Amino acid sequence: KQEVTQIPAALSVPEGENLVLNCSFTDSAIYNLQWFRQDPGKGLTSLLLIQSSQREQTSGRLNASLDKSSGRSTLYIAASQPGDSATYLCAVRGSFWDSSYKLIFGSGTRLLVRP
Amino acid sequence: EADIYQTPRYLVIGTGKKITLECSQTMGHDKMYWYQQDPGMELHLIHYSYGVNSTEKGDLSSESTVSRIRTEHFPLTLESARPSHTSQYLCASRPTGWTEAFFGQGTRLTVV
Repeated sequence: KQEVTQIPAALSVPEGENLVLNCSFTDSAIYNLQWFRQDPGKGLTSLLLIQSSQREQTSGRLNASLDKSSGRSTLYIAASQPGDSATYLCAVRGSFWDSSYKLIFGSGTRLLVRP
Repeated sequence: EADIYQTPRYLVIGTGKKITLECSQTMGHDKMYWYQQDPGMELHLIHYSYGVNSTEKGDLSSESTVSRIRTEHFPLTLESARPSHTSQYLCASRPTGWTEAFFGQGTRLTVV
């Protein structure tokens, strides 16, 4: 059974710092991995999608990497801003027919960027 | 920006009432999902649909039911709400293929 873990559970940093959020998964048989942002009481906003054949994806100040064989992904945020404060979730989609229909989520990292 | 909408955004309702949470998407996606999320906790899949007239239960047992009569519409119904149903409900959709999923803004349900 696929399990997704995110470390740290919470992170507080001063504005301007570069930071790394970690996501690990137990089953390397995945189709893709997706990073989301969730603001308090809101839905999820998709940030980056990495296919299983890719090593990384970039969007603006965000860079996500994927090492499928070791079951790890990282989300790198450059020059953090107070507006980046949110919960960041990673989710994997399984590659077997009986698991490919759904996303398995980690419990998220709550990020606070202090002005 | 994703065109997937949930209504209502917030709902406070009494025990025993029947409620329907609405989810609509205008992207023509055939796959749609309902997730349940308690505050500070993980998302758990409760229902999904491959397309019209196709619905399945997810990993987390739920007393809710769903229907998929039209591609763009995937409502979730609770026949008799209970305080244990208090949670946030998130709807998502994606097209067929190795593509990203898009989420609605969620419905925060409180049953008193």
